[in-house]
Amino acid sequence: SQKIEQNSEALNIQEGKTATLTCNYTNYSPAYLQWYRQDPGRGPVFLLLIRENEKEKRKERLKVTFDTTLKQSLFHITASQPADSATYLCALDKTGGFKTIFGAGTRLFVKA
Amino acid sequence: EPEVTQTPSHQVTQMGQEVILRCVPISNHLYFYWYRQILGQKVEFLVSFYNNEISEKSEIFDDQFSVERPDGSNFTLKIRSTKLEDSAMYFCASRAPSGGMSGETQYFGPGTRLLVL
Repeated sequence: SQKIEQNSEALNIQEGKTATLTCNYTNYSPAYLQWYRQDPGRGPVFLLLIRENEKEKRKERLKVTFDTTLKQSLFHITASQPADSATYLCALDKTGGFKTIFGAGTRLFVKA
Repeated sequence: EPEVTQTPSHQVTQMGQEVILRCVPISNHLYFYWYRQILGQKVEFLVSFYNNEISEKSEIFDDQFSVERPDGSNFTLKIRSTKLEDSAMYFCASRAPSGGMSGETQYFGPGTRLLVL
């Protein structure tokens, strides 16, 4: 069955460092992959989308890579800030985007 | 900035009762979704809706669930006979017409926290 795995352990990093989060998937061929941020008790907020034919995408301090051979995406936050502390969700979609599958998320804590 | 809204923010109901969760998607969006998130667990897809019909649904979305777009603005999720295990946060999301950089992006509402007693 389709499976998405994200770092199950929380990630603790020091302010100013780069946070790297991992998303691995099996039994799935996504057309695109998205990263969302979720704060406690709130809905997911879209951050970045990368398509299957793209290797890397950047937006301000965020960077995402997508390796369809390894079936893996890496999400980087550079110059991290305490305000970046949240849960980050990886989500996969096939063409059409009618059924999005989410990973369980990785909790990030950035210490001042 | 346009946003997805949901009402109520919290709903408490007795097991076996019917509940209707309401969503107002972003006005020019054409694709609509419901998800649920049980406390401490992942966001789970329930159903997607396009052109006035269900596009996809998950195994969770059984005969107890239904969706409707009763007018040009609202999108509702009905649970006919609630069970204890339906207690969760329910999120509505909407997406713009396909094509372009933002075509695949889903915008989520703040959620309705449903508690079934």
